[in-house]
Amino acid sequence: QVQLVESGGGVVLPGMSLRLSCAASGFTFSTYAMHWVRQAPGKGLEWVALISFDGGNEYYTDSVKGRFTISRDNSKNTLFLQVNSLRTDDTAVYYCARDRGWLQSQELDYWGQGTLVTVSS
Amino acid sequence: QSVLTQPPSVSAAPGQKVTISCSGSSSNIGNNYVSWYQQLPGTAPKLLIYDNNKRPSGIPDRFSGSKSGTSATLGITGLQTGDEADYYCGTWDSTLSAGVFGGGTKLTVL
Repeated sequence: QVQLVESGGGVVLPGMSLRLSCAASGFTFSTYAMHWVRQAPGKGLEWVALISFDGGNEYYTDSVKGRFTISRDNSKNTLFLQVNSLRTDDTAVYYCARDRGWLQSQELDYWGQGTLVTVSS
Repeated sequence: QSVLTQPPSVSAAPGQKVTISCSGSSSNIGNNYVSWYQQLPGTAPKLLIYDNNKRPSGIPDRFSGSKSGTSATLGITGLQTGDEADYYCGTWDSTLSAGVFGGGTKLTVL
């Protein structure tokens, strides 16, 4: 069965960095585009980033451009999100999700359980 | 505020039908497929509808989706208390080159 397991979250000071990981299993990871989506406490879903199946294309929401980098290692079935220059408004649960369709189809059919990032002084 | 507009809340009695609207523009809903997600309290979102009106395997036909122009609608019939959740619409925005979600709608089954 498809499984996505995030890790790497934690409590950090403003300006610090983290590397989030998402370990995928149960499907051919290298053939699917993947997303990161976040949810601030008590708030709605916010799309963060998308990477194509081969890593050749990346897209970001405006508020994270230049600070976050999405990447993948298809040999290890793992998705990453490097988050730098963290701000208090980056505090959220970060989910990784698989896209069942083509790049930019925005059809997220499997989600991980999420990893919490808390940015606080 | 969100690029896609949803009502903050809707409510209906068990067994009844409810619809949730999602309004956008030509750069998102008007020219791209819409998906709908259900998020039960304390859990990750779950895909309910994709390609405007298709249901993934395992999603009951009580859930339906439609799209007209720059708006989309999620319908739920035969409401159950277990349907109480937050519902989100989502699509791609071709102008922003980014994914977008609605602000979410909290469904209460009275």
